[in-house]
Amino acid sequence: DARVTQTPRHKVTEMGQEVTMRCQPILGHNTVFWYRQTMMQGLELLAYFRNRAPLDDSGMPKDRFSAEMPDATLATLKIQPSEPRDSAVYFCASGREVGGNQPQHFGDGTRLSIL
Amino acid sequence: GQNIDQPTEMTATEGAIVQINCTYQTSGFNGLFWYQQHAGEAPTFLSYNVLDGLEEKGRFSSFLSRSKGYSYLLLKELQMKDSASYLCAVRGGGNKLTFGTGTQLKVEL
Repeated sequence: DARVTQTPRHKVTEMGQEVTMRCQPILGHNTVFWYRQTMMQGLELLAYFRNRAPLDDSGMPKDRFSAEMPDATLATLKIQPSEPRDSAVYFCASGREVGGNQPQHFGDGTRLSIL
Repeated sequence: GQNIDQPTEMTATEGAIVQINCTYQTSGFNGLFWYQQHAGEAPTFLSYNVLDGLEEKGRFSSFLSRSKGYSYLLLKELQMKDSASYLCAVRGGGNKLTFGTGTQLKVEL
């Protein structure tokens, strides 16, 4: 089965450091999403791409977060500088925006701890 | 904007039936999804509803009433492996989903 691949699976670093998370969407999927999940807030949408173009990043703190899709096989989410409150699980998901019933498929997530 | 409400947690007995409710208020509606998430794992797709009525997939069924802003997920013949968080998500514009905070289901012997 095709899967969304995320790296790294786990990341522990000190506050102030740059963090880069990577995502390889499922081949043929034209939409990519970045989510953050915490116990308190649940799953929150950070950024959304269609055909590699950013469509919505309203959920993302612009001063420290950035999301890009340099090509169709790679999406990145960067935090610079990182802060302890950024500790969460970050999921990438991809989907096909054809037909109404196409679900988003999630990667296994990056578990980020900022000390 | 979107507002989605689900119970925080539920407990049920192995072999029983459980219904997990979801109510939503949205500025746009293009379908409702249910996802299952086991602890420490990724959410996985369970079901999709866009028209009113019941969709059945094996032991799992999902119901939608658009006029009431209401959906439920029905799990039959509960198994221990069904212990997980169940997430209701509403799609607004494009393919963008807004998730509820999830219902943690515990299945007991």
